[in-house]
This record gives sequence, structure tokens and C-alpha cells, in this order.
Amino acid sequence: DTGVSQNPRHKITKRGQNVTFRCDPISEHNRLYWYRQTLGQGPEFLTYFQNEAQLEKSRLLSDRFSAERPKGSFSTLEIQRTEQGDSAMYLCASSLADRGNQPQHFGDGTRLSIL
Amino acid sequence: KNEVEQSPQNLTAQEGEFITINCSYSVGISALHWLQQHPGGGIVSLFMLSSGKKKHGRLIATINIQEKHSSLHITASHPRDSAVYICAVRSQETSGSRLTFGEGTQLTVNP
Repeated sequence: DTGVSQNPRHKITKRGQNVTFRCDPISEHNRLYWYRQTLGQGPEFLTYFQNEAQLEKSRLLSDRFSAERPKGSFSTLEIQRTEQGDSAMYLCASSLADRGNQPQHFGDGTRLSIL
Repeated sequence: KNEVEQSPQNLTAQEGEFITINCSYSVGISALHWLQQHPGGGIVSLFMLSSGKKKHGRLIATINIQEKHSSLHITASHPRDSAVYICAVRSQETSGSRLTFGEGTQLTVNP
């Protein structure tokens, strides 16, 4: 069973560096979501794709953040010029597009620590 | 005020106890999810509800749409149930089926 896969699991970097995370969704899922979760809080929505189109971005997604899903399969989330406040768990989820409500399947997340 | 609020924030129980976690929301929803998150961070979907009640093993989830309230019950709790339980809703007012999450309830079940 190939669920949602995220890489790397952990990333430690110095403030000011750029980082890129990858998410491989379940293969037949055409929707892909990115969420961010800080310690002790629930996840917060960042952005989502349907196929290769980025259909919605949260105001949390500053101009230092960019997400892509070039072929409608895997997605990358890049953070440029990282700041201490970017330290969080970055979660990816995927689902089928709606016919009724479809459950989202989550990856194990990428934990980012900014030194 | 958050759109999704959970109570309690932390819950400690003895093995075998019946546990209830509550979730209240303030928006119209098309679905409510109960999720489980273990210390490593991965999230597992337990239930997706739009009405009534669902049961899976020792877990029961109920929802009252009129009162905008849902509960997650765990019967005969076990230490392996220790995790963070998160309520999340899909609002009728947002597009794309993105979820809005509560802050989670940290459950610890002691042997």
C-alpha cells in the first residue's frame, strides 16, 4: 500500500537558507494539500492543487513560500530565506476530487527546524 | 474565536476508562473529520461524518449538525490509544475541500 510519502522526514537548517520538501501523493489522487503545524497546535491550511493547478493559497503562504505540482503527481514546497518562525511540521495530504466528501490521506510530515 | 474548538486540551485516563473528546464548530460544514496523530507526526483519519454516528472497533463518533457539535468516544481505553486527537471540518463556505482543524486533544492512557 503506497500511501502519501513525504521527504525528508526531518530538516535542520540555518536561518536564511532555502529548503525544499517533496510530497508524493497516492497515485490516483488528483487533489494535494499542504498544511503547516506548529508545536501544540492543529494543522493550518497552506495551499492545494487539483492536478497541476494551484487553486487556493492561504494568506499564511508568504512570498518566501512557493509550491508546485508540475505534472499533477508529486509536489514540492520551497521556503526561501528561512526564518525561525518557519520551524514547524509540514504536512501533505491527498484525496480524490469530490463526488460527495472524500477523505484526505496524510503523509508523516517533514519536520523543519531552523537554527 | 477559532472556528473549531476542542475540549479538553489534555486528558489523562486509566486503562479501561471510557473517554469522550468534544468538538464544537461555528461554521456550516459539509463534513467533520476525527484524526489521530502519534508523536512521530503522522496523521491517520479515524472518521469522516456528515450526520449521525459511526463506530469502528472501540471508537465511536457522533455529530449533531443542529448544535454544531461532535464527540469522539473511546471505550475500554488502552495505553496504545495515547495520541493527539484532532477534529477538523470542511466548511461549506470554502472551496476545494480544505480542512480547518481544532488544536487537538492530547490523550494519555496509563496502564
